[in-house]
Amino acid sequence: DAGVTQSPTHLIKTRGQQVTLRCSPKSGHDTVSWYQQALGQGPQFIFQYYEEEERQRGNFPDRFSGHQFPNYSSELNVNALLLGDSALYLCASSWEENTEAFFGQGTRLTVV
Amino acid sequence: SQQGEEDPQALSIQEGENATMNCSYKTSINNLQWYRQNSGRGLVHLILIRSNEREKHSGRLRVTLDTSKKSSSLLITASRAADTASYFCATDDQAGTALIFGKGTTLSVSS
Repeated sequence: DAGVTQSPTHLIKTRGQQVTLRCSPKSGHDTVSWYQQALGQGPQFIFQYYEEEERQRGNFPDRFSGHQFPNYSSELNVNALLLGDSALYLCASSWEENTEAFFGQGTRLTVV
Repeated sequence: SQQGEEDPQALSIQEGENATMNCSYKTSINNLQWYRQNSGRGLVHLILIRSNEREKHSGRLRVTLDTSKKSSSLLITASRAADTASYFCATDDQAGTALIFGKGTTLSVSS
């Protein structure tokens, strides 16, 4: 079992650009959540996808959008990048509510 | 909004000693989870304790939950240098969907 996999591991983008991050959930998991972790902080919930729909969203602007595919993998898209979007983006998967969430290694995004 | 608050923010101990980290939260929960993070990488799930449980063990880890005080503690016994990491508690939000994390406790174990 490969666990949760994320790609790419590192990314450097310029302000104003758009970025797409990818996540494959742990085998058997159907729910994918995305988190943003700034340096020295705990992860902050962005949104969660279940059955290809956004089930819940955190306090993030519409520049952050996502998608879940029939195979449960997911993408996080961020438009009009700002310097403040520089962070570690973490994907977590689970198979139903109130169970363990397993995280990937994250994508380190740097906006210059 | 921040739910969990870990205490202390930083902890330095010697190998072989025990490490205790505490977590306080504000609203009622269904469960509480503890995670470890090494050097800004992904989070490793350590243990989940449900609101109707008071104590749970996993190897050298012992987690307690006191819902009346809205607090939890993580005890790592006989610490090793490899335990050096940041530790986070996470509670579910009121919808039971999102995890809400504190800022974490940074543990440093020296040999």
